Amino acid sequence: ETGVTQSPTHLIKTRGQQVTLRCSSQSGHNTVSWYQQALGQGPQFIFQYYREEENGRGNFPPRFSGLQFPNYSSELNVNALELDDSALYLCASSLDGGPYEQYFGPGTRLTVT
Amino acid sequence: LAKTTQPISMDSYEGQEVNITCSHNNIATNDYITWYQQFPSQGPRFIIQGYKTKVTNEVASLFIPADRKSSTLSLPRVSLSDTAVYYCLVGDMDNDMRFGAGTRLTVKP
Repeated sequence: ETGVTQSPTHLIKTRGQQVTLRCSSQSGHNTVSWYQQALGQGPQFIFQYYREEENGRGNFPPRFSGLQFPNYSSELNVNALELDDSALYLCASSLDGGPYEQYFGPGTRLTVT
Repeated sequence: LAKTTQPISMDSYEGQEVNITCSHNNIATNDYITWYQQFPSQGPRFIIQGYKTKVTNEVASLFIPADRKSSTLSLPRVSLSDTAVYYCLVGDMDNDMRFGAGTRLTVKP
């Protein structure tokens, strides 16, 4: 059974640029959720994708967008990067939407300068 | 939206039972309560989930009183490797999921 993987591991971008982060869900899972975790804080829910449709969204602006592909892998896109976007971005996969048991990847550390 | 409140930190000794309480006064009818463990530089790891009463698995127990305004994660006989940050997550079927700020548990020899 393959776990959740994320790429890249680390990324440095300049303010105003755009970034795409990628996530491969655990085998058999059809739901992917994305979280932002600032240093020393708990993860903040960005959105969830279930069977290629957005299935819930947290309090993040529209410049945070996502996609889920037929193989249930997912992308998180952030436009017009701001310094405060610097954080660990976590992807979690689960079964059938909802707030159920989630399996997290190791995260992508994004630094915006 | 249910906001969660947890103690910032707790200390314990090896072999002791540890209880971490999370307050979620505004929990909604459809909300589930889930606890995760996180080590430095890793993603959170699922521990246990419940809706009401008591749930037990091979690593922990979760106690939820009838009013569901709080929940308590119980870790039996902790070891040094249980030193981590523990998060309480309240979420509903509309997928508005809120992590608490986390409780940093330090287990001492």
